Amino acid sequence: DTEVTQTPKHLVMGMTNKKSLKCEQHMGHRAMYWYKQKAKKPPELMFVYSYEKLSINESVPSRFSPECPNSSLLNLHLHALQPEDSALYLCASSQVVATYNEQFFGPGTRLTVL
Amino acid sequence: DQQVKQNSPSLSVQEGRISILNCDYTNSMFDYFLWYKKYPAEGPTFLISISSIKDKNEDGRFTVFLNKSAKHLSLHIVPSQPGDSAVYFCAAHSGNTPLVFGKGTRLSVIA
Repeated sequence: DTEVTQTPKHLVMGMTNKKSLKCEQHMGHRAMYWYKQKAKKPPELMFVYSYEKLSINESVPSRFSPECPNSSLLNLHLHALQPEDSALYLCASSQVVATYNEQFFGPGTRLTVL
Repeated sequence: DQQVKQNSPSLSVQEGRISILNCDYTNSMFDYFLWYKKYPAEGPTFLISISSIKDKNEDGRFTVFLNKSAKHLSLHIVPSQPGDSAVYFCAAHSGNTPLVFGKGTRLSVIA
């Protein structure tokens, strides 16, 4: 099983809403990632979890709050987002953060902030 | 400062011919390179990788070449098929740092 799943597939939310994105993998990977991707741009790294601990936060605004409840699950809690936060949010996982490890991406959640 | 560069934003190739996608990098510490393929509104799919100790890796129709002295790698797809039409991202890795992606090249394979 080389699959990373993400829910929901699409999400529309207002600027005052609170919502969560979910990601799951059952490959035994100990590194999980959140990326943001805008149209015609490469994925932009947001957060990295290594062994369920946050190891990298790429200066992401506090309206995005990651959570790693266990080694298979990764959540991204959203609150008071802005319209410019509309993007494709991608989750990925790899065996560990170190090199020589491919990252496997989920299908993404298309987020629209009104 | 862009450490991984894909200087061609787009490429059109006839079906059955060879597609060559190029990638240059500036960080000599990179030791692992990957290519991802991405369809619209989907996550990137891992395609092929190469470590810095090799100069070539082949998987079916896909071959990646690495020229370390030139800090250049290329992805060859032969023969190209319409289903190969997608955006291709080059990415590089070093040590314990996350992947660094290039900006992508949109490949269109024309039937």
